[in-house]
Amino acid sequence: DGGITQSPKYLFRKEGQNVTLSCEQNLNHDAMYWYRQDPGQGLRLIYYSQIVNDFQKGDIAEGYSVSREKKESFPLTVTSAQKNPTAFYLCASSMGGTGNQPQHFGDGTRLSIL
Amino acid sequence: AQTVTQSQPEMSVQEAETVTLSCTYDTSENNYYLFWYKQPPSRQMILVIRQEAYKQQNATENRFSVNFQKAAKSFSLKISDSQLGDTAMYFCAFAMNRDDKIIFGKGTRLHILP
Repeated sequence: DGGITQSPKYLFRKEGQNVTLSCEQNLNHDAMYWYRQDPGQGLRLIYYSQIVNDFQKGDIAEGYSVSREKKESFPLTVTSAQKNPTAFYLCASSMGGTGNQPQHFGDGTRLSIL
Repeated sequence: AQTVTQSQPEMSVQEAETVTLSCTYDTSENNYYLFWYKQPPSRQMILVIRQEAYKQQNATENRFSVNFQKAAKSFSLKISDSQLGDTAMYFCAFAMNRDDKIIFGKGTRLHILP
């Protein structure tokens, strides 16, 4: 079945530690996105990528980094510079190009601070 | 900048009733797309319905329909014959035609009561 796989489902970070959230898709989509979801805040865009080896900052990119070395993969690293990382993180993908392409979402990763 | 506003943080209705969720948006664009996404307790985001701004006819998907008022910049979602499985967070979203980023509202938490 085609879809988006996020791992792990739950992740814990220690002070000063970088952690990486995985996102893999087999939908052959060009565009991929990372969102952060906090209670009462909706979804906020962290980073997005419209093509391999290229990505752009979203609205809340500070303290995060990404890479897009393969079409299928778009990992997100939460760095120690992100002082409030506790949140639910959603990865999405779409055909890209124009706004009429709906986004398909993974099941999310919940990140907590130890 | 484009914004999406959902004025109802939380709603409850009895099973089998009809419920309408409100959404307004602000944009100077003429060509754009509007979406409603559902996020059940499992946390996976699911596309419910999509509307193209250039179409006057309101989109429908089974029990889900929209009331799209372009001049008023309003995009409400109507759920008919509501079911327990409709209990979820509902997000209204906007995307410009020339850009594949989606802007989400803060969501409305809908409870369907038995």
